[in-house]
Amino acid sequence: GDSVTQMEGPVTLSEEAFLTINCTYTATGYPSLFWYVQYPGEGLQLLLKATKADDKGSNKGFEATYRKETTSFHLEKGSVQVSDSAVYFCALISTGGVDSSYKLIFGSGTRLLVRP
Amino acid sequence: NAGVTQTPKFQVLKTGQSMTLQCAQDMNHNSMYWYRQDPGMGLRLIYYSASEGTTDKGEVPNGYNVSRLNKREFSLRLESAAPSQTSVYFCASSLEGGRSYGYTFGSGTRLTVV
Repeated sequence: GDSVTQMEGPVTLSEEAFLTINCTYTATGYPSLFWYVQYPGEGLQLLLKATKADDKGSNKGFEATYRKETTSFHLEKGSVQVSDSAVYFCALISTGGVDSSYKLIFGSGTRLLVRP
Repeated sequence: NAGVTQTPKFQVLKTGQSMTLQCAQDMNHNSMYWYRQDPGMGLRLIYYSASEGTTDKGEVPNGYNVSRLNKREFSLRLESAAPSQTSVYFCASSLEGGRSYGYTFGSGTRLTVV
């Protein structure tokens, strides 16, 4: 079945460091790919998305490119801030079910801790 | 615009008790979902409702029931709570299945079963 694999955390960085969180997926067809962020004690917020191959999603300085040839959607940011400390989830939606309902499938999440 | 509203935010139950988690959205979304979040396991789909009047099982439906009361509301019921159901529960909704815009999530219900 469809699945998402993320790098294990926690990832600890100093402020202004470069961030990469790896994400690879397994899916039939052409899934849509997402990154969600969860700040402590809160729900999940959509960070960015890409709906077809070679699309680049971007938001708040974060970027991720949909690479079909490597089935990857790695999250990057050039200079992290303390306020970026959160849990980041990679996710995909693929087609599924006779009811045509799409299902969002998550990776296990990667905790990012940014130190001043 | 409230988005997705979940109640309650926190709940402690004794083993065997029942309760209903409430969820409402005001975005005119067709599809709604219930997930549970456990440490190291990401979010797992419990039940979903593709449209008003329909519900279907997700990955981990055992011990739960749902009701799609109308287009806005989708409730999750635990008939006889067990310690294994201690988790954070998230409700979500989507427009047209979420493929273009993803899901919108509520702020969660933290449930502890003792």
